[in-house]
Amino acid sequence: AQTVTQSQPEMSVQEAETVTLSCTYDTSESDYYLFWYKQPPSRQMILVIRQEAYKQQNATENRFSVNFQKAAKSFSLKISDSQLGDAAMYFCAYRAISNFGNEKLTFGTGTRLTIIP
Amino acid sequence: EPEVTQTPSHQVTQMGQEVILRCVPISNHLYFYWYRQILGQKVEFLVSFYNNEISEKSEIFDDQFSVERPDGSNFTLKIRSTKLEDSAMYFCASSGGLAESYEQYFGPGTRLTVT
Repeated sequence: AQTVTQSQPEMSVQEAETVTLSCTYDTSESDYYLFWYKQPPSRQMILVIRQEAYKQQNATENRFSVNFQKAAKSFSLKISDSQLGDAAMYFCAYRAISNFGNEKLTFGTGTRLTIIP
Repeated sequence: EPEVTQTPSHQVTQMGQEVILRCVPISNHLYFYWYRQILGQKVEFLVSFYNNEISEKSEIFDDQFSVERPDGSNFTLKIRSTKLEDSAMYFCASSGGLAESYEQYFGPGTRLTVT
């Protein structure tokens, strides 16, 4: 079974600085998807960024980027120019690939990010 | 932009009562999911649903749980006899009609409190 591990229960960063959240996963598959979701106090799950394992290029979405190290099974999220609105729980998630398109997401335990004004 | 909606936003029920949580997935999506998150814990998969049947379910999804797509737009999760440990946030999600459409869109969640 696939597992996702987030070893940092809490992180904090000064506003406008850069922070990196860590995630490792375990799978025997060669192709899969990885995601970072943000959960603000409202508890809505918001997709931040996604990475296809077959793509060597790291995904980027504005201030958010990932460092995907497939051999090490590592998938970290870097937030640049941190803003107060980035304060939230961040969950790393894994999704297998199938012909049916309905594979479940497996989540890590989350990292609570605090932004210091 | 299309979105997944869920009702109610908060449901309070007594132990042993039946509850139905409702979701309206994005209209052209074919795959539907329920997840739950106990306060302070990670999000856990409950069940996935496609073509009017369950595709996969977790060990959490026991005989007390059932899902249904009664009318082609709603997707419901029923808990027959609620327990205190069912108190959690329940998220519905849906994803598109192609194997490449892997992104799951989440609803805002229903907070279930069992007293």
